[in-house]
Amino acid sequence: GAVVSQHPSRVICKSGTSVKIECRSLDFQATTMFWYRQFPKQSLMLMATSNEGSKATYEQGVEKDKFLINHASLTLSTLTVTSAHPEDSSFYICSAPTGLAKNIQYFGAGTRLSVL
Amino acid sequence: AQKVTQAQTEISVVEKEDVTLDCVYETRDTTYYLFWYKQPPSGELVFLIRRNSFDEQNEISGRYSWNFQKSTSSFNFTITASQVVDSAVYFCALISSGSARQLTFGSGTQLTVLP
Repeated sequence: GAVVSQHPSRVICKSGTSVKIECRSLDFQATTMFWYRQFPKQSLMLMATSNEGSKATYEQGVEKDKFLINHASLTLSTLTVTSAHPEDSSFYICSAPTGLAKNIQYFGAGTRLSVL
Repeated sequence: AQKVTQAQTEISVVEKEDVTLDCVYETRDTTYYLFWYKQPPSGELVFLIRRNSFDEQNEISGRYSWNFQKSTSSFNFTITASQVVDSAVYFCALISSGSARQLTFGSGTQLTVLP
């Protein structure tokens, strides 16, 4: 079946550093990918829609300069958390709709970010 | 606007019991898709099922079954003969024709199956 690969699975970093998270569609092309954030025991909150060849669309309240999204190719989107602070610690997960059944979204395994 | 409500925050059952997870949705669109995802402790979301708004047939897949009722805007999920490996958070989600393929998630139900 369709697979979405997300790396790294876990990051521990110092406050002030930037962290890049990659999301790849392994056997299909994805012109659109989605980035979510999930706090413990809560649901997924959509952060932004990543669009290949154009700017990402951010949800209200999400800082564009803080969470940089680049959709470099039809199989790769990256989320960079710039100048990370402890409040950015969270579980970040990406998803991509497949081409065969475009309303089924497959999710990456997620990235657990801990900022010290 | 669209909304998904999972009123059950946590459910605990003993292994081999049947359990039903409730999902109620709201949307103004006539074309929409409903989903269930499983999130085990590892964190990855696993796709379980998609149902479109024009297909109200119930579906069974092994120990899993889904009951879609447009009259009550519900899409409930039943696990029969539950197993410890079923322990996870289960999310119901919705995409409507006007949502640009953005999933709206419910708050999730934490299912714990005790041995």
